[in-house]
Amino acid sequence: GAVVSQHPSWVICKSGTSVKIECRSLDFQATTMFWYRQFPKQSLMLMATSNEGSKATYEQGVEKDKFLINHASLTLSTLTVTSAHPEDSSFYICSAALRDRPLDTQYFGPGTRLTVL
Amino acid sequence: AQKVTQAQTEISVVEKEDVTLDCVYETRDTTYYLFWYKQPPSGELVFLIRRNSFDEQNEISGRYSWNFQKSTSSFNFTITASQVVDSAVYFCALSLWGNRDDKIIFGKGTRLHILP
Repeated sequence: GAVVSQHPSWVICKSGTSVKIECRSLDFQATTMFWYRQFPKQSLMLMATSNEGSKATYEQGVEKDKFLINHASLTLSTLTVTSAHPEDSSFYICSAALRDRPLDTQYFGPGTRLTVL
Repeated sequence: AQKVTQAQTEISVVEKEDVTLDCVYETRDTTYYLFWYKQPPSGELVFLIRRNSFDEQNEISGRYSWNFQKSTSSFNFTITASQVVDSAVYFCALSLWGNRDDKIIFGKGTRLHILP
C-alpha cells in the first residue's frame, strides 16, 4: 500500500526557533497533502491543505505566517513552525491523497511530536 | 456543515468481551465516505475501513464489524472477543466525494481500554 513518511519523528526545540517537518509520499505521487495537529487526548484538527505548485489553503484560525507550508513536488510537502512557542507543542500529522483519484483515501504519515521548551 | 459525533469518550471492557463504538455523522451531501481509524499509543493512524454512501452493506473483517445505517446516520464499529492489543483511540471520520479540496472531518475519538 501507499506509504507516507515524516521526518523527524520527534523534535525538541527552544522557544523562538523554527522547526521544519517533512512529509514524503514514498511510492506514489500526491497531488494533495494535508497537515493536521493533534493535542494530547484530542482529535486531529486540519491545519491546511497543500496542493503541489500552489499556495496552501489554511483552515480558519491557523496563522499562515506561523505555519509555513511548501509543496514543491508531488512527493514532498514541508511544514515550518516559525518562532515556535510552548503552545505549539503538539503532534503534527501529514497525509497524502493519491493523484487523479477522488478524495476517498488519505494515507497518513506516522506523525511528528514537537516539544517546544 | 459536516460533523462527526463520537459520544463515547472512553470505554473500558474486560478482555474477550464484545464492544461497540458509536459514530453518528451529519452531512447534507448524498455522496460521501465514512472511515474508521485506529490510533495506538505510538500515534500512527491505522486505516481500518472506508465505506461510501451508496454501500450500506455491513462488513465483517475478522473480529471487526461495521454497521452502516443511513436512516440513522450512524456507522458503528464492533469488536468481538476483544483483546488487549485492541486498546487504542478509535476515530470515525467523514469526507465528501469528488471535490479534491475537501477534507476528512474527524470525530473526537473514543479511547478504548481492554483490561486483561
